[in-house]
Amino acid sequence: QKEVEQDPGPLSVPEGAIVSLNCTYSNSAFQYFMWYRQYSRKGPELLMYTYSSGNKEDGRFTAQVDKSSKYISLFIRDSQPSDSATYLCATSETSGSRLTFGEGTQLTVNP
Amino acid sequence: NAGVTQTPKFRVLKTGQSMTLLCAQDMNHEYMYWYRQDPGMGLRLIHYSVGEGTTAKGEVPDGYNVSRLKKQNFLLGLESAAPSQTSVYFCASSPHTQTLIRTTRAFFGQGTRLTVV
Repeated sequence: QKEVEQDPGPLSVPEGAIVSLNCTYSNSAFQYFMWYRQYSRKGPELLMYTYSSGNKEDGRFTAQVDKSSKYISLFIRDSQPSDSATYLCATSETSGSRLTFGEGTQLTVNP
Repeated sequence: NAGVTQTPKFRVLKTGQSMTLLCAQDMNHEYMYWYRQDPGMGLRLIHYSVGEGTTAKGEVPDGYNVSRLKKQNFLLGLESAAPSQTSVYFCASSPHTQTLIRTTRAFFGQGTRLTVV
């Protein structure tokens, strides 16, 4: 069983929609939670990160972590065609330890 | 401001051939990583390094070797390539942080597309 599970999609939404992307994880030792965005044929780039449970907002993006249910979410408000990419969740136990990635969810925002 | 640079970007190998992938970072990061990305599998860690002269195995190390002789470089070697090693390889680096609020922030290269025929 994978330590981090993520629905690969694909997910297709109209422009302006609210997008919800989710991951679950099994290792209780994970404390750091990240979302990466990966455009086609490019390397992943860090989008947001959070420590422990709670919410973090950055513009149209909100990251949410619920450690009690081991659930990670990324919400995108007012989605744009430029948001079309693969979104990967990632976790780590400490600030310096290796990352464990989900499979990634492919998102398409249609104009 | 180059960040993380991988060479080559594309390569086709015959089964049994060897090659080395080079990763270079100019951010003075302590940690460096090699991942492979495959459809349906996501990113999987091959090997990583927590500092110059040190390496450690990741999730899928078999068939690969690494070296970190200089802080800024991390090399991934395939001694005898197999078709199962056809993949996109990503190198990443991250700083060592002590602060509670800050976290691992890995910066990725653009990837190397390797095909083994």
